[in-house]
Amino acid sequence: QSVLTQPPSVSGAPGQRVTISCTGSSSNIGTGFAVHWYQQFLGMAPKLLIYGDSNRPSGVPDRFSGSKSGTSASLAITGLQAEDEADYYCQSYDSRLYAWVFGGGTRLTVL
Amino acid sequence: EVQLVESGGDLVQPGGSLRLSCAASGFTFASYSMSWVRQAPGKGLEWVAYISSSGSITYYADSVKGRFIISRDKAKNSMDLQLDSLRDEDTAVYYCARGGSNYAYSFDYWGQGTRVTVSS
Repeated sequence: QSVLTQPPSVSGAPGQRVTISCTGSSSNIGTGFAVHWYQQFLGMAPKLLIYGDSNRPSGVPDRFSGSKSGTSASLAITGLQAEDEADYYCQSYDSRLYAWVFGGGTRLTVL
Repeated sequence: EVQLVESGGDLVQPGGSLRLSCAASGFTFASYSMSWVRQAPGKGLEWVAYISSSGSITYYADSVKGRFIISRDKAKNSMDLQLDSLRDEDTAVYYCARGGSNYAYSFDYWGQGTRVTVSS
């Protein structure tokens, strides 16, 4: 059971917009700790996609965006492309556990 | 270019020990915190251990506390993870990850991972 909750899977057709939710609690996201998102292709290492709730590292397309409100955060992907098919993880810090925490991951399928 | 290269993964029996290493290059190693994150087969990511930039502060996940030890060597630009009293559930790919330059609680660069299999 992950500290942060994500849907196991989402899907969308090319060109569509999808969102992935990440729900935490008052000891992590709700306390104000930033949420970060990672993209992981099958058999590869994770890659930082969004940091500090809504910032994109250099090289990440602006089709990817992040937001946060209360104890939840979301990753939105617009103009869906086949190459976006991957697993996506949210991550934050938990002040009660004194631990870096991840969501269980969401598999994105491009139909 | 930032590079993190892990090594040391192997097949080990339950109760055994292993030492993983992470060689860093392309950045000022002494300026960044580092962590180990693992991923069991078919499962999600799990943070394992953290070490501050100076090496003076370490944190561990409850699942490995008392069994794993994280360390770093600034002269060699490397970080290690000593794994003792290994259990079946420690089977995973272990990634080293750099603490984010913008947000220290994020991981902005990852290595390719090294596989640890605990089995008799």
